Amino acid sequence: ETGVTQTPRHLVMGMTNKKSLKCEQHLGHNAMYWYKQSAKKPLELMFVYSLEERVENNSVPSRFSPECPNSSHLFLHLHTLQPEDSALYLCASSHIGQGDVGYTFGSGTRLTVV
Amino acid sequence: RKEVEQDPGPFNVPEGATVAFNCTYSNSASQSFFWYRQDCRKEPKLLMSVYSSGNEDGRFTAQLNRASQYISLLIRDSKLSDSATYLCVVNMGEDYKLSFGAGTTVTVRA
Repeated sequence: ETGVTQTPRHLVMGMTNKKSLKCEQHLGHNAMYWYKQSAKKPLELMFVYSLEERVENNSVPSRFSPECPNSSHLFLHLHTLQPEDSALYLCASSHIGQGDVGYTFGSGTRLTVV
Repeated sequence: RKEVEQDPGPFNVPEGATVAFNCTYSNSASQSFFWYRQDCRKEPKLLMSVYSSGNEDGRFTAQLNRASQYISLLIRDSKLSDSATYLCVVNMGEDYKLSFGAGTTVTVRA
């Protein structure tokens, strides 16, 4: 596999459920990100992991819990979400320290909270 | 002031036309600039980086104006397949942190 892979592609969950989003990158990058994209809004940065350490936590509610066990894998654990958390959740990776730092995104998980 | 601002559009253009749009950014210390393309219900994909001297990639031309803090994207000879939302992306002074505009929607019609 190549690039950035996210699973699942679609997720519908109730407000009392616990679920996890998974992201895997095969690009040898050293940083991974979670972004939230709501309709007609800019992408919102949620978390950044650089070399497996969390370097950014953008005032995200504790019902979102990230985990980065190694430089290739990133998880977003979800529990007791609210309907307003319904959005497209995008994982991205990049290589910090090599000039232009563009991101490679995964296909995203479209989350609906009911 | 928002970190990155874009005209949301939509820009509706006929096939073969030229379309151009800008994006302004607030952080004068920004060093890296990009245009991403996002198709409906898909992930953003890097279209091109934007360099100080301006750069071209086929029908796409990107310009950077540091003095006025804006970047631009021009699409020549528009194709139906150019219909998408174009995201302006700016590094906010730290290597890993990119800030995204809300996007400019372009629709090319036959």
